[in-house]
Amino acid sequence: SQQGEEDPQALSIQEGENATMNCSYKTSINNLQWYRQNSGRGLVHLILIRSNEREKHSGRLRVTLDTSKKSSSLLITASRAADTASYFCATTTMDSNYQLIWGAGTKLIIKP
Amino acid sequence: NAGVMQNPRHLVRRRGQEARLRCSPMKGHSHVYWYRQLPEEGLKFMVYLQKENIIDESGMPKERFSAEFPKEGPSILRIQQVVRGDSAAYFCASSPTGNNSPLHFGNGTRLTVT
Repeated sequence: SQQGEEDPQALSIQEGENATMNCSYKTSINNLQWYRQNSGRGLVHLILIRSNEREKHSGRLRVTLDTSKKSSSLLITASRAADTASYFCATTTMDSNYQLIWGAGTKLIIKP
Repeated sequence: NAGVMQNPRHLVRRRGQEARLRCSPMKGHSHVYWYRQLPEEGLKFMVYLQKENIIDESGMPKERFSAEFPKEGPSILRIQQVVRGDSAAYFCASSPTGNNSPLHFGNGTRLTVT
């Protein structure tokens, strides 16, 4: 069954604006990861946040994790056209430390 | 350091033929995962292998599909007697350890069954 669910399914914003994507999950997790996928390419790992962490930053990316609400958000600040891609969250659970369970992704379009 | 290499990038097979998808993990990575992705959807886990061992094949159909990761050479995902429903993108990922570590993905093989 689907563990992670991203919303919105699609997001279109102007270059320079901030983009926020959310991910909800159902069961307790070890960690939550965000990946980016450009059209026709493989996924690229962005950030991993552990269950005992609340916030992590990497460049223009900021990830938060709220385990009480079983949700995470990915914020991309000062978006660029090159940020156009699909963004996926994936979780590892207490039952399995290797099997990632994926959401269906958010398709982000940055308009120049 | 070369990334995860998958070939071929595109594969067209007629119904009933066999498809062989290859994946060379990143150097030093001994853990390989295969995923399947349909258009506009997320990834579906198929199988997790370490060198010479299948650790978890719970996501792989029991018939027609098989995977291996030999001591030497790439990991192979093999689909026998392909059907139209097998058309999808198949991604391979590798990691240095199996424990909660981020995955490194190849660019996938797009299988089209005609």
